[in-house]
Amino acid sequence: GAGVSQSPRYKVAKRGQDVALRCDPISGHVSLFWYQQALGQGPEFLTYFQNEAQLDKSGLPSDRFFAERPEGSVSTLKIQRTQQEDSAVYLCASSLAGYQPQHFGDGTRLSIL
Amino acid sequence: ELKVEQNPLFLSMQEGKNYTIYCNYSTTSDRLYWYRQDPGKSLESLFVLLSNGAVKQEGRLMASLDTKARLSTLHITAAVHDLSATYFCAGRDSNYQLIWGAGTKLIIKP
Repeated sequence: GAGVSQSPRYKVAKRGQDVALRCDPISGHVSLFWYQQALGQGPEFLTYFQNEAQLDKSGLPSDRFFAERPEGSVSTLKIQRTQQEDSAVYLCASSLAGYQPQHFGDGTRLSIL
Repeated sequence: ELKVEQNPLFLSMQEGKNYTIYCNYSTTSDRLYWYRQDPGKSLESLFVLLSNGAVKQEGRLMASLDTKARLSTLHITAAVHDLSATYFCAGRDSNYQLIWGAGTKLIIKP
């Protein structure tokens, strides 16, 4: 069965460039989450959607980070004017509801040179 | 503010041995999750623990929850090499956010 799909799997960008990361959740999953995971650490919450509504964006580290889910399915995380400290794995997860176990994609490994 | 601490952060053990990973959390969390992550791979849900005294088992892994002590444990019985991975626990705060421990990297040697 189809799981959470993220693309690209790897992204290398030069400092200052804009990047866009895509997440295709499991069909029918209402809740969608974005996390940032640094090497050797647990995931850090970035933002949460319920359908198309962004209910919580308190984890976004700066106004350079922007996420959207316009039709309540696919979501895009955009990072503008990337910095080296943005280098990390970005994980997307979806669930049937906010309290249900989250199903994770394989992540996008972002490297900023 | 919910904080989650795991220990140990690194564990190397022999096949066939038993061991326990501990997960302490600082404030009330209405549920506790355990996940597994293989290198370069996604996070796989193992257990969701909802109530005090909850115990769940899958194969050689058993998870339990003590809400009074704010402690969850993941017990490994007769470890096998295939269980080598990083194990994370996470609590859920009042804003639906999952707050994660730093992970326990488990290496099981033949």
